[in-house]
Amino acid sequence: GAVVSQHPSWVICKSGTSVKIECRSLDFQATTMFWYRQFPKQSLMLMATSNEGSKATYEQGVEKDKFLINHASLTLSTLTVTSAHPEDSSFYICSGSRQETQYFGPGTRLLVL
Amino acid sequence: AQTVTQSQPEMSVQEAETVTLSCTYDTSESDYYLFWYKQPPSRQMILVIRQEAYKQQNATENRFSVNFQKAAKSFSLKISDSQLGDAAMYFCAYILTGGGNKLTFGTGTQLKVEL
Repeated sequence: GAVVSQHPSWVICKSGTSVKIECRSLDFQATTMFWYRQFPKQSLMLMATSNEGSKATYEQGVEKDKFLINHASLTLSTLTVTSAHPEDSSFYICSGSRQETQYFGPGTRLLVL
Repeated sequence: AQTVTQSQPEMSVQEAETVTLSCTYDTSESDYYLFWYKQPPSRQMILVIRQEAYKQQNATENRFSVNFQKAAKSFSLKISDSQLGDAAMYFCAYILTGGGNKLTFGTGTQLKVEL
């Protein structure tokens, strides 16, 4: 149990466009979901904490107007990268929390040209 | 603030041998959880093992076991009978009990498994 999916797994977009990434908990309800960014050979960097039905809490230095997070249900959270630029190219991972444990999605590779 | 330290950036082990990955953490809290996550080349983060701080007994999951020393704030991972599929980046992580709290990760240890 405790499976989290992410879609898409790969996305290439043009600079200036917006990209939406979905994170779903498939077999449990996740009141809280988390969004991370990971650079090559580094640890995960928390971007924001997403709570169902309320506004996300962003980490210091993360632009909330650029990285829009919506947690509309107990099984779905979305991250929208608005007006994407090449420096937004990265690996984005979400997780769902159940019983004090975070279960991670497979990640989304974003390349902005 | 809580911190997690993994002092071994890289480790190597021969197939079928045993390897221990180190992790220390710093917290003033008494109620928390500790984790080891594995990230293979696919980059999927996989939960390896979990330890509740209030439990004295060390957690075990098949070939994976931990040595949890609460007073020393140490949480090492032992992998027995290492297999090629164990090759990955391993992250130690800490979370404060209470729901919705943030995971604090270490910097990771890259484990190589050699034939």
